[in-house]
Amino acid sequence: NAGVTQTPKFQVLKTGQSMTLQCAQDMNHNSMYWYRQDPGMGLRLIYYSASEGTTDKGEVPNGYNVSRLNKREFSLRLESAAPSQTSVYFCASTERGAVSTDTQYFGPGTRLTVL
Amino acid sequence: AQSVTQLGSHVSVSEGALVLLRCNYSSSVPPYLFWYVQYPNQGLQLLLKYTTGATLVKGINGFEAEFKKSETSFHLTKPSAHMSDAAEYFCAVSSISSGSARQLTFGSGTQLTVLP
Repeated sequence: NAGVTQTPKFQVLKTGQSMTLQCAQDMNHNSMYWYRQDPGMGLRLIYYSASEGTTDKGEVPNGYNVSRLNKREFSLRLESAAPSQTSVYFCASTERGAVSTDTQYFGPGTRLTVL
Repeated sequence: AQSVTQLGSHVSVSEGALVLLRCNYSSSVPPYLFWYVQYPNQGLQLLLKYTTGATLVKGINGFEAEFKKSETSFHLTKPSAHMSDAAEYFCAVSSISSGSARQLTFGSGTQLTVLP
């Protein structure tokens, strides 16, 4: 049981390049989330998926797109990377997103630098 | 809208001393509150959470937090710090979203340093 996995661990991009961050969970969870973490700002929600086939914007969705490929996988795409997107990206999942007491389980993160 | 304020971005304590990390929240509905810990180069993991019932919540690694509605606070404490407690700690409140999934709103974090 690996929990939540993310690939890649590190990535360096040039401004304007595109890339997709991958996330997978093996806990049969319904809801999945993408956050970014910046110094002094905590974690901010980019997009989430309440269940397979649905996605919704979070607090900071501009410049990102997501795909809930199946129940296990939730990807985050940067179409044209900008230096402001330099950050650490975390994927998380919960068993039942509609139930507020559920614990969110986090992946190890992807450190992205945009030059 | 929900929000979380963590007082003190950096806290230093001596090994064996009391740990107190402060968290205040604002919420228009009864909140569900969480403390997460992040060790260097790792993801976040849950320390403890308050949902309903007993206002003193015990978590892993000897940490506990008390929900005080009158003070809108959820401070994290540990009686005796250990070197292994050095990490970043995040307080979070569960909020109702427009969709069907609840979202966590995080504070900006408190970096705990434990001095030998």
